[in-house]
Amino acid sequence: ETGVTQTPRHLVMGMTNKKSLKCEQHLGHNAMYWYKQSAKKPLELMFVYNFKEQTENNSVPSRFSPECPNSSHLFLHLHTLQPEDSALYLCASSQAFSGAETQYFGPGTRLLVL
Amino acid sequence: DAKTTQPNSMESNEEEPVHLPCNHSTISGTDYIHWYRQLPSQGPEYVIHGLTSNVNNRMASLAIAEDRKSSTLILHRATLRDAAVYYCILRDGLNDMRFGAGTRLTVKP
Repeated sequence: ETGVTQTPRHLVMGMTNKKSLKCEQHLGHNAMYWYKQSAKKPLELMFVYNFKEQTENNSVPSRFSPECPNSSHLFLHLHTLQPEDSALYLCASSQAFSGAETQYFGPGTRLLVL
Repeated sequence: DAKTTQPNSMESNEEEPVHLPCNHSTISGTDYIHWYRQLPSQGPEYVIHGLTSNVNNRMASLAIAEDRKSSTLILHRATLRDAAVYYCILRDGLNDMRFGAGTRLTVKP
């Protein structure tokens, strides 16, 4: 595997379910990101991890809980989501967290909350 | 944050050059100009970036105005696979990457 991979690619869940999204990067990077892309809206940054430490949380509701056990893996734990949370969730990585580093994105997980 | 303005959509014919404009009149001296694109059903991918001088790579060219208040991404020969949303983003080395709505490029055969 190369680049940034995300699983699952599609997910349907009820509002009372608990699920997790997984991201893995095979690029030797130290920073990882979660973005949300809702229909007809720009990508929104949710979380940033730099060297496994969370450096940013853009006012994301607590029903989204990130976890970064090491520099290669990033999870997004989901619980009691709302239908408006249905979106494409994208993971990205970069060499380090800086304003100039190129970010490499995964293909995304398309989430539908019923 | 300095913002960018791009047309919502553009059309091109296959194998013709495409010039995608971006205005960034409030750009600061330390802002780099980055371009990413998002193909259908995929995550964004890096295209090119520059600071002051024009830049070329295997994917595209970036032409930056002398006053840096605008830039143009140039695809020299558009193919059907270039149909995507193109994002112009300013990055200052400190802040997060902020995506706008981008330009949706349609390539006609």
